[in-house]
Amino acid sequence: DADVTQTPRNRITKTGKRIMLECSQTKGHDRMYWYRQDPGLGLRLIYYSFDVKDINKGEISDGYSVSRQAQAKFSLSLESAIPNQTALYFCATSAAGDYAFGEQYFGPGTRLTVT
Amino acid sequence: AQTVTQSQPEMSVQEAETVTLSCTYDTSENNYYLFWYKQPPSRQMILVIRQEAYKQQNATENRFSVNFQKAAKSFSLKISDSQLGDTAMYFCAFMKDSGGGADGLTFGKGTHLIIQP
Repeated sequence: DADVTQTPRNRITKTGKRIMLECSQTKGHDRMYWYRQDPGLGLRLIYYSFDVKDINKGEISDGYSVSRQAQAKFSLSLESAIPNQTALYFCATSAAGDYAFGEQYFGPGTRLTVT
Repeated sequence: AQTVTQSQPEMSVQEAETVTLSCTYDTSENNYYLFWYKQPPSRQMILVIRQEAYKQQNATENRFSVNFQKAAKSFSLKISDSQLGDTAMYFCAFMKDSGGGADGLTFGKGTHLIIQP
């Protein structure tokens, strides 16, 4: 089974709809991240969380919100989707204090299309 | 804020050749990590290699090696004996060392590497 899972894998929604992307991990990591990938722009950080009580904005947080329901679950919400939020969304995790400090493990991605 | 620049949008080489992908970055931080990630058509992000800024020795992982020049803020990836399976997008990424917290990664825009048979 995959260590970092994302649901749904693909989603088409309409402008103005609320949508939630979910991320779960079995790696036991305390840090979780949401990134957005657009063609030609690489990946950009939306939000990250160091633990359940800690949420931090990334480079492009406007129009998004997150919820860290448990150590293993980190959800990204688009309150009112707009077409320029069409992108590939990645969840990632990392651990602290071990030899692989800083290494992030990515989920398979969610392809979101807003029409 | 950090920036990462990959100046080669696309590269194409023959199988078995050696190829070098360029990456430069800009930061005022002294302690940080650098990474190369590979994204094949499956879109999965796969870590290729990592380098700690405090280490002078260049990292190597099998056919993959880096040339880390801290003063020049350069971090290139060399792939030796390239294989068809190396065809992918390659992203250079930067992460500052927050001394206990792992901030997010700052990515370059990527280089599309094509290995020709």
